[in-house]
Amino acid sequence: EILLTQFPATLSMSPGERATLSCRASQSLSRSVAWYQQKPGQAPRLLIYGASTRATGVPARFSGSGSGTDFTLTITSLQSEDFAVYYCQSHSNRPPWTFGQGTRVDI
Amino acid sequence: QVHLQESGPGLVKPSETLSLICSVSGFSISSGYYWGWIRQPPGRALEWVGSMYHDGDAYYSPSLMSRVAMSADTSKNQVSLKLRSVTAADTAVYYCARGLVGGASDYWGQGILVSVSS
Repeated sequence: EILLTQFPATLSMSPGERATLSCRASQSLSRSVAWYQQKPGQAPRLLIYGASTRATGVPARFSGSGSGTDFTLTITSLQSEDFAVYYCQSHSNRPPWTFGQGTRVDI
Repeated sequence: QVHLQESGPGLVKPSETLSLICSVSGFSISSGYYWGWIRQPPGRALEWVGSMYHDGDAYYSPSLMSRVAMSADTSKNQVSLKLRSVTAADTAVYYCARGLVGGASDYWGQGILVSVSS
Protein backbone atom coordinates (compact mmCIF):
# COMPACT_ATOMS: atom_id res chain seq x y z
CA GLU A 1 0.00 0.00 0.00
CA ILE A 2 1.35 3.42 -0.97
CA LEU A 3 1.96 5.82 1.92
CA LEU A 4 1.66 9.57 1.47
CA THR A 5 3.53 11.94 3.78
CA GLN A 6 2.51 15.58 3.87
CA PHE A 7 4.66 18.34 5.26
CA PRO A 8 4.62 20.58 7.06
CA ALA A 9 1.79 19.49 9.36
CA THR A 10 0.90 23.13 9.98
CA LEU A 11 1.70 26.23 7.97
CA SER A 12 1.22 29.60 9.63
CA MET A 13 0.70 32.25 6.98
CA SER A 14 -0.69 35.74 6.46
CA PRO A 15 -3.23 36.83 3.84
CA GLY A 16 -1.51 37.71 0.59
CA GLU A 17 1.42 35.36 1.15
CA ARG A 18 2.38 32.36 -0.99
CA ALA A 19 1.88 28.91 0.55
CA THR A 20 3.74 25.80 -0.56
CA LEU A 21 2.47 22.40 0.61
CA SER A 22 4.34 19.16 -0.02
CA CYS A 23 3.31 15.53 -0.43
CA ARG A 24 5.77 12.64 -0.77
CA ALA A 25 4.77 9.12 -1.86
CA SER A 26 6.45 5.89 -0.76
CA GLN A 27 6.56 4.75 -4.40
CA SER A 28 6.07 6.36 -7.77
CA LEU A 29 2.58 7.57 -8.61
CA SER A 30 3.49 8.99 -12.01
CA ARG A 31 1.15 12.02 -11.96
CA SER A 32 -1.82 10.41 -10.17
CA VAL A 33 -2.11 12.76 -7.23
CA ALA A 34 -5.10 14.86 -6.21
CA TRP A 35 -5.36 17.70 -3.71
CA TYR A 36 -8.40 18.58 -1.59
CA GLN A 37 -9.35 21.47 0.64
CA GLN A 38 -11.45 20.82 3.72
CA LYS A 39 -13.03 23.38 6.02
CA PRO A 40 -14.53 22.54 9.44
CA GLY A 41 -17.83 20.70 9.19
CA GLN A 42 -17.64 20.42 5.41
CA ALA A 43 -16.90 17.67 2.94
CA PRO A 44 -13.56 17.89 1.12
CA ARG A 45 -13.42 19.89 -2.11
CA LEU A 46 -11.39 18.63 -5.05
CA LEU A 47 -8.83 21.24 -6.13
CA ILE A 48 -6.32 19.43 -8.31
CA TYR A 49 -6.10 16.02 -10.01
CA GLY A 50 -3.52 14.50 -12.29
CA ALA A 51 -0.94 16.44 -10.24
CA SER A 52 -1.65 19.72 -12.02
CA THR A 53 -5.16 19.88 -13.51
CA ARG A 54 -7.47 22.27 -11.69
CA ALA A 55 -10.96 20.97 -11.03
CA THR A 56 -13.96 22.88 -12.31
CA GLY A 57 -14.40 26.25 -10.64
CA VAL A 58 -11.09 26.24 -8.75
CA PRO A 59 -9.38 29.64 -8.77
CA ALA A 60 -6.14 30.04 -10.69
CA ARG A 61 -4.23 30.90 -7.48
CA PHE A 62 -4.23 27.14 -6.76
CA SER A 63 -1.66 25.18 -8.74
CA GLY A 64 -0.19 21.71 -8.49
CA SER A 65 3.09 20.27 -9.70
CA GLY A 66 5.26 17.21 -9.41
CA SER A 67 5.57 13.66 -10.64
CA GLY A 68 6.88 10.35 -9.40
CA THR A 69 7.11 10.62 -5.62
CA ASP A 70 7.20 14.38 -4.91
CA PHE A 71 4.24 16.71 -5.34
CA THR A 72 3.48 20.31 -4.43
CA LEU A 73 0.35 22.40 -4.02
CA THR A 74 0.99 26.13 -4.29
CA ILE A 75 -1.46 28.81 -3.28
CA THR A 76 -0.37 32.23 -4.49
CA SER A 77 -1.65 35.24 -2.55
CA LEU A 78 -3.64 33.52 0.22
CA GLN A 79 -7.20 34.70 0.66
CA SER A 80 -9.10 34.52 3.94
CA GLU A 81 -11.21 31.64 2.59
CA ASP A 82 -8.08 29.56 1.88
CA PHE A 83 -7.30 28.90 5.54
CA ALA A 84 -8.25 25.24 5.84
CA VAL A 85 -6.79 21.73 5.89
CA TYR A 86 -5.37 20.35 2.64
CA TYR A 87 -5.02 16.65 1.79
CA CYS A 88 -3.18 14.91 -1.00
CA GLN A 89 -4.45 11.58 -2.35
CA SER A 90 -3.18 8.94 -4.72
CA HIS A 91 -5.74 8.34 -7.47
CA SER A 92 -4.25 5.91 -9.97
CA ASN A 93 -6.61 4.07 -12.32
CA ARG A 94 -7.06 1.15 -9.92
CA PRO A 95 -7.47 1.15 -6.11
CA PRO A 96 -6.35 1.07 -3.41
CA TRP A 97 -6.09 4.79 -2.93
CA THR A 98 -4.66 6.57 0.09
CA PHE A 99 -4.73 10.03 1.64
CA GLY A 100 -1.97 11.95 3.32
CA GLN A 101 -2.33 13.13 6.91
CA GLY A 102 -3.10 16.69 5.90
CA THR A 103 -1.53 20.13 6.19
CA ARG A 104 -3.36 22.80 8.15
CA VAL A 105 -2.94 26.33 6.80
CA ASP A 106 -3.47 28.72 9.70
CA ILE A 107 -3.58 32.46 9.91
CA GLN B 1 -26.27 18.84 -10.97
CA VAL B 2 -24.90 15.71 -9.32
CA HIS B 3 -26.00 15.27 -5.71
CA LEU B 4 -25.05 12.57 -3.22
CA GLN B 5 -26.77 11.95 0.10
CA GLU B 6 -25.71 9.49 2.79
CA SER B 7 -28.29 7.88 5.07
CA GLY B 8 -28.31 5.31 7.84
CA PRO B 9 -28.22 4.94 11.62
CA GLY B 10 -26.06 7.37 13.54
CA LEU B 11 -25.38 4.90 16.33
CA VAL B 12 -24.23 1.29 16.03
CA LYS B 13 -23.39 -1.10 18.86
CA PRO B 14 -19.95 -2.74 19.05
CA SER B 15 -19.68 -6.04 17.15
CA GLU B 16 -22.72 -5.19 15.01
CA THR B 17 -22.86 -4.20 11.32
CA LEU B 18 -22.75 -0.61 10.11
CA SER B 19 -25.01 -0.13 7.08
CA LEU B 20 -25.12 3.04 5.01
CA ILE B 21 -26.76 4.04 1.75
CA CYS B 22 -25.62 6.70 -0.70
CA SER B 23 -28.45 8.03 -2.86
CA VAL B 24 -27.29 9.67 -6.08
CA SER B 25 -29.28 12.14 -8.17
CA GLY B 26 -28.38 13.96 -11.36
CA PHE B 27 -26.27 11.11 -12.75
CA SER B 28 -26.79 7.39 -13.28
CA ILE B 29 -24.30 5.30 -11.30
CA SER B 30 -24.30 2.71 -14.10
CA SER B 31 -23.15 5.27 -16.66
CA GLY B 32 -19.58 5.57 -15.48
CA TYR B 33 -17.04 6.51 -12.81
CA TYR B 34 -16.16 5.02 -9.47
CA TRP B 35 -18.54 5.45 -6.53
CA GLY B 36 -16.79 5.29 -3.22
CA TRP B 37 -16.83 5.66 0.53
CA ILE B 38 -14.33 7.71 2.51
CA ARG B 39 -14.39 8.11 6.28
CA GLN B 40 -12.92 10.57 8.75
CA PRO B 41 -12.65 9.86 12.48
CA PRO B 42 -13.24 12.97 14.60
CA GLY B 43 -10.27 15.31 14.36
CA ARG B 44 -8.31 12.99 12.10
CA ALA B 45 -7.43 12.52 8.44
CA LEU B 46 -9.48 11.14 5.60
CA GLU B 47 -9.37 7.37 5.01
CA TRP B 48 -10.44 5.64 1.82
CA VAL B 49 -12.79 2.75 2.64
CA GLY B 50 -13.72 1.34 -0.74
CA SER B 51 -15.01 2.07 -4.23
CA MET B 52 -17.23 0.42 -6.76
CA TYR B 53 -16.76 0.85 -10.47
CA HIS B 54 -19.84 1.45 -12.61
CA ASP B 55 -19.53 -2.10 -13.98
CA GLY B 56 -19.97 -3.50 -10.47
CA ASP B 57 -16.36 -4.35 -9.57
CA ALA B 58 -15.64 -3.38 -5.96
CA TYR B 59 -12.31 -2.56 -4.34
CA TYR B 60 -11.61 -2.18 -0.64
CA SER B 61 -8.99 -0.77 1.67
CA PRO B 62 -6.56 -3.57 2.59
CA SER B 63 -7.01 -2.73 6.28
CA LEU B 64 -10.80 -3.14 6.08
CA MET B 65 -11.13 -5.77 3.38
CA SER B 66 -12.09 -8.60 5.75
CA ARG B 67 -15.07 -6.65 7.14
CA VAL B 68 -16.40 -4.44 4.34
CA ALA B 69 -18.74 -4.94 1.42
CA MET B 70 -20.25 -2.57 -1.11
CA SER B 71 -23.15 -3.10 -3.47
CA ALA B 72 -25.19 -1.09 -5.93
CA ASP B 73 -28.90 -0.87 -6.69
CA THR B 74 -29.07 0.67 -10.14
CA SER B 75 -32.89 0.78 -10.09
CA LYS B 76 -32.73 3.14 -7.11
CA ASN B 77 -29.42 4.76 -8.15
CA GLN B 78 -27.92 3.91 -4.78
CA VAL B 79 -24.65 2.52 -3.49
CA SER B 80 -24.50 0.82 -0.12
CA LEU B 81 -21.78 0.11 2.41
CA LYS B 82 -21.70 -2.59 5.06
CA LEU B 83 -18.98 -2.80 7.68
CA ARG B 84 -19.13 -5.82 9.99
CA SER B 85 -17.92 -6.32 13.55
CA VAL B 86 -17.51 -2.62 14.27
CA THR B 87 -15.55 -1.21 17.19
CA ALA B 88 -15.11 2.27 18.59
CA ALA B 89 -12.29 2.76 16.06
CA ASP B 90 -14.92 2.76 13.30
CA THR B 91 -16.55 5.90 14.71
CA ALA B 92 -16.26 8.48 11.94
CA VAL B 93 -18.01 10.72 9.48
CA TYR B 94 -18.67 8.57 6.43
CA TYR B 95 -18.75 10.28 3.04
CA CYS B 96 -19.80 8.91 -0.31
CA ALA B 97 -18.19 10.43 -3.38
CA ARG B 98 -17.90 10.12 -7.16
CA GLY B 99 -14.48 9.33 -8.56
CA LEU B 100 -13.91 11.67 -11.50
CA VAL B 101 -10.52 10.24 -12.42
CA GLY B 102 -9.82 7.03 -10.55
CA GLY B 103 -10.09 8.01 -6.90
CA ALA B 104 -10.03 11.78 -7.44
CA SER B 105 -13.51 12.63 -6.23
CA ASP B 106 -15.34 15.65 -7.55
CA TYR B 107 -18.77 15.23 -5.96
CA TRP B 108 -19.22 14.41 -2.28
CA GLY B 109 -22.15 13.89 0.03
CA GLN B 110 -22.43 16.00 3.15
CA GLY B 111 -21.29 13.09 5.29
CA ILE B 112 -22.96 11.17 8.09
CA LEU B 113 -21.53 10.73 11.58
CA VAL B 114 -21.67 7.15 12.75
CA SER B 115 -20.78 6.47 16.37
CA VAL B 116 -20.01 3.01 17.68
CA SER B 117 -21.07 2.72 21.28
CA SER B 118 -23.10 0.48 23.54
